[in-house]
Amino acid sequence: GIQVEQSPPDLILQEGANSTLRCNFSDSVNNLQWFHQNPWGQLINLFYIPSGTKQNGRLSATTVATERYSLLYISSSQTTDSGVYFCAVPFTSGTYKYIFGTGTRLKVLA
Amino acid sequence: EAGVVQSPRYKIIEKKQPVAFWCNPISGHNTLYWYLQNLGQGPELLIRYENEEAVDDSQLPKDRFSAERLKGVDSTLKIQPAELGDSAVYLCASSLYLGRVSYNEQFFGPGTRLTVL
Repeated sequence: GIQVEQSPPDLILQEGANSTLRCNFSDSVNNLQWFHQNPWGQLINLFYIPSGTKQNGRLSATTVATERYSLLYISSSQTTDSGVYFCAVPFTSGTYKYIFGTGTRLKVLA
Repeated sequence: EAGVVQSPRYKIIEKKQPVAFWCNPISGHNTLYWYLQNLGQGPELLIRYENEEAVDDSQLPKDRFSAERLKGVDSTLKIQPAELGDSAVYLCASSLYLGRVSYNEQFFGPGTRLTVL
């Protein structure tokens, strides 16, 4: 099945710093989602981005499907950005389900 | 628009007891998913419904887990009997699935944190 790896696994930032999170996947995909899991466990949709670039406030994402990776950019980080960031891609062989990456745990210090 | 609703949010039970989780998906979403999330890991699919049909339950431990989706809307996931290793967060998600190459954004509920003592 498809493999999804994220890097870095852990990241500590000072408030105001910028960061780039990476998601690599082993097979071609026709969509990709980025989520933020907050400290209370809620998975929040950030981007649905099969290809190209999208921006939402301080966050932006780019997916290069032909090279099998996606990047999530966080600018001017805030303490509320802390949590775990997951990417998820569909596995379509046989059935259709999302495979989640290993996650990047982000802690933003005040 | 209301999001995915799950209850209870927390549940503590003793091993060998039964437990049930309930999920109400976003209105109009035809596909419902139950995921299991262990500490420090990403969610893993347990079962996926398209309308009333369970189209993928290959990861559901059928000796103790069961699920149903009545009338293609609400769903219940049950564990009987619970074991210590079942302690985890159980997440429900929904989407409007229109085919493999179509838009299929999933939205998650807040989850149920289960502790088995």
